[in-house]
Amino acid sequence: AQKVTQAQTEISVVEKEDVTLDCVYETRDTTYYLFWYKQPPSGELVFLIRRNSFDEQNEISGRYSWNFQKSTSSFNFTITASQVVDSAVYFCALSRGDNFNKFYFGSGTKLNVKP
Amino acid sequence: NAGVMQNPRHLVRRRGQEARLRCSPVKGHSHVYWYRQLPEEGLKFMVYLQKENIIDESGMPKERFSAEFPKEGPSILRIQQVVRGDSAAYFCASFRGGVQETQYFGPGTRLLVL
Repeated sequence: AQKVTQAQTEISVVEKEDVTLDCVYETRDTTYYLFWYKQPPSGELVFLIRRNSFDEQNEISGRYSWNFQKSTSSFNFTITASQVVDSAVYFCALSRGDNFNKFYFGSGTKLNVKP
Repeated sequence: NAGVMQNPRHLVRRRGQEARLRCSPVKGHSHVYWYRQLPEEGLKFMVYLQKENIIDESGMPKERFSAEFPKEGPSILRIQQVVRGDSAAYFCASFRGGVQETQYFGPGTRLLVL
């Protein structure tokens, strides 16, 4: 069975602090995809990253970086020098590498960045 | 969200009424997924459809809920005799097909049942 766990329900930081959002997943598949989405207060889902199970290289995009470690089944997301606009709910998700492509979402981490 | 359209964006219904949620996928995409997000929770898979076929409805309640994706027109998620517990955000995702592709999410429909 597929499962995604985001143990941090809510995190509060002060602007310019770095923050890491944890994501742990469970799957028996050898091929799968991991995602992060941002859901701002307006409610839409904003795609941040997609990573396949064969690519363990860390990725950096501006102030965002992702650490994928298969050994610990984790796909953590770090925001460097956080800003108030980063305040949102962040979801980690897993999809199987098959034609069904169904997404399994974590419960989300609400990030509050205070000025 | 790459062109996935959902309407209405907000829908208010009284208990016992019907709710119809529409999803127009990205042009050329023949696969649609529906997800439900209850307040303060993550998104949960409901149903996966290809044109005119339901592929996987394992996440959809057996009663009152139905979904279709006709040959022409948008995909429809229909909730009959709504109850307060149906209040949620319903997201549609569009997919072209193929293991190298990914889903594109629409902006969601917020359903409020009074």
